[in-house]
Amino acid sequence: AQKITQTQPGMFVQEKEAVTLDCTYDTSDPSYGLFWYKQPSSGEMIFLIYQGSYDQQNATEGRYSLNFQKARKSANLVISASQLGDSAMYFCAMREGGSNYQLIWGAGTKLIIKP
Amino acid sequence: EAQVTQNPRYLITVTGKKLTVTCSQNMNHEYMSWYRQDPGLGLRQIYYSMNVEVTDKGDVPEGYKVSRKEKRNFPLILESPSPNQTSLYFCASSSQNEKLFFGSGTQLSVL
Repeated sequence: AQKITQTQPGMFVQEKEAVTLDCTYDTSDPSYGLFWYKQPSSGEMIFLIYQGSYDQQNATEGRYSLNFQKARKSANLVISASQLGDSAMYFCAMREGGSNYQLIWGAGTKLIIKP
Repeated sequence: EAQVTQNPRYLITVTGKKLTVTCSQNMNHEYMSWYRQDPGLGLRQIYYSMNVEVTDKGDVPEGYKVSRKEKRNFPLILESPSPNQTSLYFCASSSQNEKLFFGSGTQLSVL
């Protein structure tokens, strides 16, 4: 079974609109962490945001926020006021508590921002 | 500047010619890992290392070798590359419970 599922292979969004990228996860471990990375067309992997399973508040980093719904096992990335430079692949990943290092990756969502 | 340095950025080679992709990090990270990225398949882990002289297979280790003789270096070796190893490769490192830092990637083409 997939441990990390990103159901949207691709999305088109109008510039300046908010975007929600979906990520659902599957784990029985009570301790885990969720990561989002961005990969622009240049290829590098850029860390965006992190949410720990015990964190009380949803994580935010500038225009990025994580809509963490533990009961639904979802960790959606929200980008407010999208910009052309947000066009990229976005990957969700999970680290389970039994591993201090290993990440499990989703297949990614390709986001295209339209001017 | 904290970084993972991966070389070369681009590499074209022929079937069977041994090659090495180098990876070095300057953050004293215990953990290092190699991934390959193919369209529609996301990131797949090839090998990883928890510390010096400790390496383990990831999801797709066949056709690859690694070594971890020093903490900072984690080279990826293709003894006899084949066309199905044409891919984008990433090296990454982290310390315990921290985010992964990635190298800039190596686009490999095996003809």
